[in-house]
Amino acid sequence: AQSVTQLGSHVSVSEGALVLLRCNYSSSVPPYLFWYVQYPNQGLQLLLKYTSAATLVKGINGFEAEFKKSETSFHLTKPSAHMSDAAEYFCAVSDIVKAAGNKLTFGGGTRVLVKP
Amino acid sequence: KAGVTQTPRYLIKTRGQQVTLSCSPISGHRSVSWYQQTPGQGLQFLFEYFSETQRNKGNFPGRFSGRQFSNSRSEMNVSTLELGDSALYLCASSLIAGGDNEQFFGPGTRLTVL
Repeated sequence: AQSVTQLGSHVSVSEGALVLLRCNYSSSVPPYLFWYVQYPNQGLQLLLKYTSAATLVKGINGFEAEFKKSETSFHLTKPSAHMSDAAEYFCAVSDIVKAAGNKLTFGGGTRVLVKP
Repeated sequence: KAGVTQTPRYLIKTRGQQVTLSCSPISGHRSVSWYQQTPGQGLQFLFEYFSETQRNKGNFPGRFSGRQFSNSRSEMNVSTLELGDSALYLCASSLIAGGDNEQFFGPGTRLTVL
C-alpha cells in the first residue's frame, strides 16, 4: 500500500521568508503526486500536481514543487511567504494504475503559521 | 461554474442514529469521491463512484455506504453512529476517473456524534 510522510506537523515562518514543506512517498513505481491547501472551515484546493512530465512543477500562488525519484520526495516551496499562506498543506499520491481510479492517499498535513 | 456543494454543512446526531450526507458535483463531472477527515486519523478515502458504480472502497466498516445517482449527485450514509464517526466529511468531484485528474473538493459536512 502507498504511504505519504510529511515531515513536521507544524511549520512557522516569517513573512517574506522561504517556505519549505517536505513530502516523501513510498511506492515502487512513482505515483501521481499532489499538493493541496486547506484554509479553516474550507475544503481542499489543489496547488499543483506531478504527472510524470516536468520534474519541477509550478502551481498557484507562487508555489512550486520538485519531484526527485531517487529521494522519493516531492517537497513544496515558496520563495517568499505571505500572511495569506497560513493554512494546512497536504501532500497526496494517486496510483498510476487506471483501476485505482481517483483514490488519493494523503500525508498527515503540515500547518503553516506565518509571523509578521 | 458552481463548485462542489455539500449539504448539510453541519450536523449533530446521537450514537446509534443514522445520517445521510449529500454531494452535488461540478456540472459535467462524473466521478465523486468521499473522504473522512479527523484530527487523529487525518484524511482517509471512503469510496469513489463513477457513472453510478462504486469503483473503489476504503478500509471502513460496512456501516459506511454510498450511492450515486444518474445526475452524478452522490450520497453517503452512516448507520449506527459511533462517537468516533465525528469528523469532517469531504466530497470531491472530477471529470473522469483516473489518478492524474484534478479533483475539486467541496467545503465538507461537519458531523458531530454525541
